[in-house]
Amino acid sequence: KAGVTQTPRYLIKTRGQQVTLSCSPISGHRSVSWYQQTPGQGLQFLFEYFSETQRNKGNFPGRFSGRQFSNSRSEMNVSTLELGDSALYLCASSLSGREKLFFGSGTQLSVL
Amino acid sequence: QQQVKQSPQSLIVQKGGISIINCAYENTAFDYFPWYQQFPGKGPALLIAIRPDVSEKKEGRFTISFNKSAKQFSLHIMDSQPGDSATYFCAASSAGGTSYGKLTFGQGTILTVHP
Repeated sequence: KAGVTQTPRYLIKTRGQQVTLSCSPISGHRSVSWYQQTPGQGLQFLFEYFSETQRNKGNFPGRFSGRQFSNSRSEMNVSTLELGDSALYLCASSLSGREKLFFGSGTQLSVL
Repeated sequence: QQQVKQSPQSLIVQKGGISIINCAYENTAFDYFPWYQQFPGKGPALLIAIRPDVSEKKEGRFTISFNKSAKQFSLHIMDSQPGDSATYFCAASSAGGTSYGKLTFGQGTILTVHP
C-alpha cells in the first residue's frame, strides 16, 4: 500500500508570494490533516479535512487555508508569505481522523 | 491545559541499553496517546499507541507505560540499537468533534544510540 505522498519536497519562495502544497493520502483514507513543524514551535496542527469538509482548525492566521477533493487528495495554500512561514509542512492521513495518523515526508518551505 | 511536556530533550544510550522518554499532560480529556519516531528528512512514523484503560502496551522492543492518576506516560526502548537513533515525539488527542485530526505533540527527544 502506498504511503502518504506530498509534493513538492522543497520550495523556495519570497516574502509576499503565495504557495500551494499537495497531499495524496493513503488509499481509502478520507481524513487528511496538516501540520507545521519548526525547530522552535515543534509540530503544530493546522487543519483537518474529511470528505471535502473542514472539521477542525488550529490557531493559524487566515493566510493558511486548505481544501480537499472528492478523491481525498488535499491542498494547502499559504498566501502573502512571511519569513516565519519557513517550515516543514506535513500532511497526515487516517481512516477516521481520530487515531493512527500516517504522515508523509513533508514539504520543506523556505521563505526568503 | 493543551500542552504535552516531554523529557529529556536529548538522550544518549549505549547499544543494548534501555532508552526511557517521559511525557506528562494536564488535559484529562485526552484519551489517545501515540508515540512517533522521526528520522531526518522524513515525516513522523507511528510507533505505538495506548489508551488510558490499560497501564502498559508492548510491541516488540517498544513499551508504553501509562499512569492515569499521575497523568504521565513513557516510552521504553529495550535493547536499543544504533538504528533507533532518531527524534521521538509523544502526542495526545481527545474525543469529541474539536479533536479531529489534531494531535498535541511533545517537543521531542533526540535519541542517540552509540555502538
